[in-house]
Amino acid sequence: EAGVVQSPRYKIIEKKQPVAFWCNPISGHNTLYWYLQNLGQGPELLIRYENEEAVDDSQLPKDRFSAERLKGVDSTLKIQPAELGDSAVYLCASSPGTAGEQYFGPGTRLTVT
Amino acid sequence: GDSVTQMEGPVTLSEEAFLTINCTYTATGYPSLFWYVQYPGEGLQLLLKATKADDKGSNKGFEATYRKETTSFHLEKGSVQVSDSAVYFCASKTQGGSEKLVFGKGTKLTVNP
Repeated sequence: EAGVVQSPRYKIIEKKQPVAFWCNPISGHNTLYWYLQNLGQGPELLIRYENEEAVDDSQLPKDRFSAERLKGVDSTLKIQPAELGDSAVYLCASSPGTAGEQYFGPGTRLTVT
Repeated sequence: GDSVTQMEGPVTLSEEAFLTINCTYTATGYPSLFWYVQYPGEGLQLLLKATKADDKGSNKGFEATYRKETTSFHLEKGSVQVSDSAVYFCASKTQGGSEKLVFGKGTKLTVNP
């Protein structure tokens, strides 16, 4: 069974540029999460989807961050414009439901210069 | 809000040494507790979990016991191997709330031959 797929694995951009990350969850998993992991820290939840509905986006900085999960499968997280402080690893996870085990992708490491 | 505090690293051990990584939590309810492991270049993987007081989670020789009286979930292994070198994250999840995992900062373990 394929795991959670994320792309790209690495991204380097200049500040003020836009960037997008893509996540393909495990087949059949209706719950999808985006986490932010700063260097030396644990992951912090940005947004949680139940199918195509964002049910918890309280930690998402909505002035520059946006996310979508069209058709309740793949998801895209966007930052526009990026700031130096956005340099981090962006993790995607999925689970068969909110009570189920979360399976994590390898993450996208973003460097903003 | 809920929080998790875990022992700061890095931790360096020789092969076959005993491992303890301390973890304590604060929560408004009765959380489930987890240990995740992140091997170099990979996503987080669930190592073990416990859902109620006095439960013991175990996997791959690792153990952790849910201690409600001390709000702790310390990770232990009797004899570590070089292949155990990774970053270990303690996490909590309170049911019926936001359903999100709250992570500690992680503890990097290096095991030398």
